[in-house]
Amino acid sequence: NAGVTQTPKFRILKIGQSMTLQCAQDMNHNYMYWYRQDPGMGLKLIYYSVGAGITDKGEVPNGYNVSRSTTEDFPLRLELAAPSQTSVYFCASVRMIGTQPQHFGDGTRLSIL
Amino acid sequence: AQTVTQSQPEMSVQEAETVTLSCTYDTSESDYYLFWYKQPPSRQMILVIRQEAYKQQNATENRFSVNFQKAAKSFSLKISDSQLGDAAMYFCALLPSNAGGTSYGKLTFGQGTILTVHP
Repeated sequence: NAGVTQTPKFRILKIGQSMTLQCAQDMNHNYMYWYRQDPGMGLKLIYYSVGAGITDKGEVPNGYNVSRSTTEDFPLRLELAAPSQTSVYFCASVRMIGTQPQHFGDGTRLSIL
Repeated sequence: AQTVTQSQPEMSVQEAETVTLSCTYDTSESDYYLFWYKQPPSRQMILVIRQEAYKQQNATENRFSVNFQKAAKSFSLKISDSQLGDAAMYFCALLPSNAGGTSYGKLTFGQGTILTVHP
């Protein structure tokens, strides 16, 4: 199994550009999450999804959008990139919450210049 | 709301020695899970150890063990016989149980502690 796959691994954007960070999992997990990790800091939750068609905001949702049309995919959209969104983005998933640890992707390093 | 605090931005240890990383937390939940994650320079998030709050016994995984003090809301990680491969950023994280169906598995992370291992 591939687990949680994030693409791209690195990206440089100009201010005002938009892009989509892709996240896919092949473990049939219901719950999926997007976190951001600023330099030297812990991870903060951006958005999460409890199943296809259901998403909700986390701690730091401003400037981002998500969708969950299938169980496997959970893309994160940046509409108007700003320097404050320079960060490492992690996608994670879990089948049932509480008893199992979340599986993390390898992250996407995004720089906005 | 939950908070997790790691008060040690950096720690260092000699190879083969023991080091303890500190973590305190705050939550109004009565049942929850606590985790330590390791993040090496490769950026992977690797689960090191997990503790269920309802269990009094401290979790142990090989050279890694925790000291869980529920009343004090403290959850420290002890690494014994430190190895060069233990060098990484370590994160403490809290997950409320899903009693009532409201936590949705949302993890709250501390700021991290960078561990350096000297040969």
